[in-house]
Amino acid sequence: EVQLLESGGGLVQTGGSLRLSCAASGFTFSSHGMSWVRQAPGKGLEWVSAVSPSGSRTPYADSVKGRFTISRDNSRNRLYLQMHSLRPEDTATYYCAKDFYMGHYFDYWGQGILVTVSS
Amino acid sequence: QSALTQPASVSGSPGQSITISCTGTSSDIGAHQLVSWYQKHPGRAPKVIIHEVTKRPSGVSSRFSASKSGSTAFLTISGLQSDDEADYYCSSYAGTNTFLVFGGGTKVTVL
Repeated sequence: EVQLLESGGGLVQTGGSLRLSCAASGFTFSSHGMSWVRQAPGKGLEWVSAVSPSGSRTPYADSVKGRFTISRDNSRNRLYLQMHSLRPEDTATYYCAKDFYMGHYFDYWGQGILVTVSS
Repeated sequence: QSALTQPASVSGSPGQSITISCTGTSSDIGAHQLVSWYQKHPGRAPKVIIHEVTKRPSGVSSRFSASKSGSTAFLTISGLQSDDEADYYCSSYAGTNTFLVFGGGTKVTVL
């Protein structure tokens, strides 16, 4: 059974940093692209970033480019999102999602982790 | 402002059919056969119900169907049921620069 479990969320002040983790199990982690998708309170889904199976390709949404860094550790089956210079508009539930094939669709999602940026 | 445009809400009575549109551009929906639809109930993770424009994952009801015409994709829910009441999001691959875009979401209400 595929499981994705996010951790590392919480309350942070504007300008602060936070690192999200996603522990993956139930599939061959190193064979699949992974993404972070977020949903601000009362808003829709927003794709944040993706990483290819090897970690060599890492596209970002314009809204986070230069502030967020996605990475993965295939030896530990973990996905990360390092977030710097956080803004109130980054407040959202962040989901870790497994790509069936990078750019195609997300076939599994985590339950999400809340990040709150206070002003 | 979302990259893909969806109606904010659509409603229907039990048993009826409804269709949700998702309008993009020649750079995303119009350029790729990589449109997906996700169902999201409050407090739960999104669930893929359609991928690659028309394909339904195993376990997803055949009441969900989809199509695409030019830069607009469509999701149809037939035989509307109370459990279909949820938010629905379209997404599309948008090339190597933009990579992926979502629609703003459509709230489906079963009257």
